Amino acid sequence: DTAVSQTPKYLVTQMGNDKSIKCEQNLGHDTMYWYKQDSKKFLKIMFSYNNKELIINETVPNRFSPKSPDKAHLNLHINSLELGDSAVYFCASSGTSGRARSSYNEQFFGPGTRLTVL
Amino acid sequence: GDSVTQMEGPVTLSEEAFLTINCTYTATGYPSLFWYVQYPGEGLQLLLKATKADDKGSNKGFEATYRKETTSFHLEKGSVQVSDSAVYFCARWNNDMRFGAGTRLTVKP
Repeated sequence: DTAVSQTPKYLVTQMGNDKSIKCEQNLGHDTMYWYKQDSKKFLKIMFSYNNKELIINETVPNRFSPKSPDKAHLNLHINSLELGDSAVYFCASSGTSGRARSSYNEQFFGPGTRLTVL
Repeated sequence: GDSVTQMEGPVTLSEEAFLTINCTYTATGYPSLFWYVQYPGEGLQLLLKATKADDKGSNKGFEATYRKETTSFHLEKGSVQVSDSAVYFCARWNNDMRFGAGTRLTVKP
């Protein structure tokens, strides 16, 4: 009974391509996030959406565009991929309603998508 | 600005050794504090949390106490196991979530 799922788990692609990573949560949460984790395990927030509206947009190249078709989904589209985009991307969700109430903004993470740009 | 600073790794211990991973934070107001754990190949999982000064979070033998006077939330475990090998992240919530850089722990038999 997966809470936060991401697809694909692995993504290998060439520089210059456009790719998307999908995220879905079935917890009934109203806030979703994208994080980037580099090879040294440093975790950096990229975006946060609440009820399909963007609320956090850190300094991220505009080649990255999040899209939230509904509260349960937050997809990440990346244009013109560069070598430096290689990382593990994590989706997360939080909320005070739904079947897994997260008190005090505890976040539930997906398993990650390892992106390798060649 | 607000930040979270945690002990640099990697940390290597023998089984049954005592573990401390230091974490300090800077924030305005009264943030909530968390420790997350990331096992190899997996996403982050909440390990424990504390939401106000002097609260102690505990789970799976791990503990951390919210110390406002020293702005710290150090993670401790009295006797580590090989299965505790993972990367540990300290985090604080104060309008948004900020994570520390992570500390890799390896426990050897």
